[in-house]
Amino acid sequence: DAGVIQSPRHEVTEMGQEVTLRCKPISGHDYLFWYRQTMMRGLELLIYFNNNVPIDDSGMPEDRFSAKMPNASFSTLKIQPSEPRDSAVYFCASGTKGGSNQPQHFGDGTRLSIL
Amino acid sequence: AQTVTQSQPEMSVQEAETVTLSCTYDTSENNYYLFWYKQPPSRQMILVIRQEAYKQQNATENRFSVNFQKAAKSFSLKISDSQLGDTAMYFCAFMKRPGYALNFGKGTSLLVTP
Repeated sequence: DAGVIQSPRHEVTEMGQEVTLRCKPISGHDYLFWYRQTMMRGLELLIYFNNNVPIDDSGMPEDRFSAKMPNASFSTLKIQPSEPRDSAVYFCASGTKGGSNQPQHFGDGTRLSIL
Repeated sequence: AQTVTQSQPEMSVQEAETVTLSCTYDTSENNYYLFWYKQPPSRQMILVIRQEAYKQQNATENRFSVNFQKAAKSFSLKISDSQLGDTAMYFCAFMKRPGYALNFGKGTSLLVTP
């Protein structure tokens, strides 16, 4: 049973470039979450979707960040233009409302480095 | 908004000993869920244990157990018979209910030494 799949696993790019992170949730899960992990701020929610609709995007830092979920099996997080302070590990997680035993299944994360 | 506080940035324990990681939280909810996640150097997020606020009995999973004090809003994790593989970051997390996001503490880095 495939888990949450994120790509790429590592991304190194130069400041100003566009970055796209991808996520494939577990089939049948109707919630999808994007989290960011940094040393300073820990793990914080950026945005989450329910049935492909954004529910809470209050954690999205600024207009340079955007997230989409065009269908139930795919989501992207885009940063344009990227800045060094965006360097972090970005996690995607998916879950269902009936999943209190394992509320969210996490992908392995994308480590993003902006030079 | 719910806040989760882990007051111990780093801890160390010898193999086979017992260690307790602290977590407090703030919420006005009466029913909610609490979790401990483990993040080894591989950066996977691994669910260790969960507690539902309406259950008075403390959760236990093998060597891992919690001390849930609802009135004090405290949720500590006890690891018994520590093993080298327990070395990791441990995050305490709060969830209002399924379908909501997780609120994480800043984490405790645990080192298990031989």
